[in-house]
Amino acid sequence: NAGVTQTPKFRVLKTGQSMTLLCAQDMNHEYMYWYRQDPGMGLRLIHYSVGEGTTAKGEVPDGYNVSRLKKQNFLLGLESAAPSQTSVYFCASSYWGSPLHFGNGTRLTVT
Amino acid sequence: GIQVEQSPPDLILQEGANSTLRCNFSDSVNNLQWFHQNPWGQLINLFYIPSGTKQNGRLSATTVATERYSLLYISSSQTTDSGVYFCAVLTGTASKLTFGTGTRLQVTL
Repeated sequence: NAGVTQTPKFRVLKTGQSMTLLCAQDMNHEYMYWYRQDPGMGLRLIHYSVGEGTTAKGEVPDGYNVSRLKKQNFLLGLESAAPSQTSVYFCASSYWGSPLHFGNGTRLTVT
Repeated sequence: GIQVEQSPPDLILQEGANSTLRCNFSDSVNNLQWFHQNPWGQLINLFYIPSGTKQNGRLSATTVATERYSLLYISSSQTTDSGVYFCAVLTGTASKLTFGTGTRLQVTL
């Protein structure tokens, strides 16, 4: 039972490049989330999904897009990376009213 | 939106000491969780505690929802307790947790 798996673990991009972060969970959770964590700060919600085929904006959605085509996967896309998007990205999943489970994070650097 | 404040922001303990971390929130909540982020960056769920008291080994948590705060107790601290502790809350019909800014704990020998 892998839980929540994020790929890749590390990535370096140049300004303007695009990439997709993949989150996969094997717990049949309905809810999935993408957070970013900047140095010395808490977690800020980027986008989330309450079920397959649905997505919604969080606190800091600008510059990101997401898709939830399959229940177990939640993809986070950066169309044109900017240095301000340098951060650690965490994916999480849960049922309604249940504990949140996090992946191990993706460290992204944009130069 | 709801405000979540944690105190103290930083805490240094000697191994074996006890500590209390506090989480205050500005509105009524349906869901409150405590997380530990270890020095390698992994986020581990410690408690799901919208109200009442729970215990797990040396850790326990109490949420007083009517007074809008939660406390995390760490007894007989160990160096492996080092890291950042976050509380997170969910309000009303919202589907997303709002995180506090965390308490950074360092346990020394």
